[in-house]
Amino acid sequence: DAGITQSPRYKITETGRQVTLMCHQTWSHSYMFWYRQDLGHGLRLIYYSAAADITDKGEVPDGYVVSRSKTENFPLTLESATRSQTSVYFCASASMDGYTFGSGTRLTVV
Amino acid sequence: SQQGEEDPQALSIQEGENATMNCSYKTSINNLQWYRQNSGRGLVHLILIRSNEREKHSGRLRVTLDTSKKSSSLLITASRAADTASYFCATDAYNNNDMRFGAGTRLTVKP
Repeated sequence: DAGITQSPRYKITETGRQVTLMCHQTWSHSYMFWYRQDLGHGLRLIYYSAAADITDKGEVPDGYVVSRSKTENFPLTLESATRSQTSVYFCASASMDGYTFGSGTRLTVV
Repeated sequence: SQQGEEDPQALSIQEGENATMNCSYKTSINNLQWYRQNSGRGLVHLILIRSNEREKHSGRLRVTLDTSKKSSSLLITASRAADTASYFCATDAYNNNDMRFGAGTRLTVKP
């Protein structure tokens, strides 16, 4: 199916662990994004990528790492998870008409 | 920092009424977009309006843009219970591919 998919849908991890959130799109859109959504803050941009092997920091990049070895995949890694990274994470890709979002990953760091 | 700020934070209306949500932003933009988010789901793109446009329609949606006031409004006419969702505006002030979102307006449409 065409679209943008995120996995896992839910994740619970312990403080200090490394965790990777996956994002896959089927359109070959050049631009992809990672946002986190927290109550009272709306969506905040973590990282984005203009193309394979090109990534840039967004508004809140600290504690996160991204890679984009292939156009269709844009994984987000929390190198050492902290409780403040408990959030809902959304991946998106961009076309001329706007962004398309995945269904999100709800991450809980305990 | 947030670029778009939606107002009101929450809005409750009866089915059939019109709903108006506003968005203000701080710096010059190329385009402004509105998105809807149902509870527990991702955001869905509703409409994009460019800085040289003043009004745009899509079905029951009407979006206006006033660049002199740095504001936009989203009007949903003849609302339905299915319109219950959070609505976000997003702007590209930082660059064309770095959209910043507001905190959203939570719309409740009562049957």
